[in-house]
Amino acid sequence: KAGVTQTPRYLIKTRGQQVTLSCSPISGHRSVSWYQQTPGQGLQFLFEYFSETQRNKGNFPGRFSGRQFSNSRSEMNVSTLELGDSALYLCASRDDGVNTEAFFGQGTRLTVV
Amino acid sequence: KNEVEQSPQNLTAQEGEFITINCSYSVGISALHWLQQHPGGGIVSLFMLSSGKKKHGRLIATINIQEKHSSLHITASHPRDSAVYICAVNSGGSNYKLTFGKGTLLTVNP
Repeated sequence: KAGVTQTPRYLIKTRGQQVTLSCSPISGHRSVSWYQQTPGQGLQFLFEYFSETQRNKGNFPGRFSGRQFSNSRSEMNVSTLELGDSALYLCASRDDGVNTEAFFGQGTRLTVV
Repeated sequence: KNEVEQSPQNLTAQEGEFITINCSYSVGISALHWLQQHPGGGIVSLFMLSSGKKKHGRLIATINIQEKHSSLHITASHPRDSAVYICAVNSGGSNYKLTFGKGTLLTVNP
């Protein structure tokens, strides 16, 4: 089985722009969750999607949004980029169920200049 | 105070030593994950625990639900074990939400 694929791997954007990141989960997994990792704050939960519905959301401003398609692929969007949005963005996919193992992608490293 | 606390933050060991990393949490959880992150960013899930103990090769993870504490042990450590180890708890139940510790940077010297 192919693993979780995130594209692009690296991205440089200018303040004020918007960005869209993509995550393709493991085949058959319907849960996709997104995380932000920064040196100062560590890993933080952004949101989780299951069967095209957002089930949970972390404590991030409305500039951070996401969606999930019928094939379980997910995108996250950050609008009006700020320097502080520079981070590694990770997604993880899981099989159905409360306690199932999470499989992480390699991440997208976003640099805002 | 963070909901998930890990100790130590940094750990340096000699090859062959027994390693213990601790994780304490203050919220109700349905499961606890131990994750490994190498330089470059990729995260690998090592264990998911909701009770008791799990073993995989040289790695052992335990959890005490009553005491809200988990430990990750590495027996006969090796330089390839050098990585950041992260504890994460699912506090959202079926509405999955992971809360992470700050991580433990492990360096194993040959």
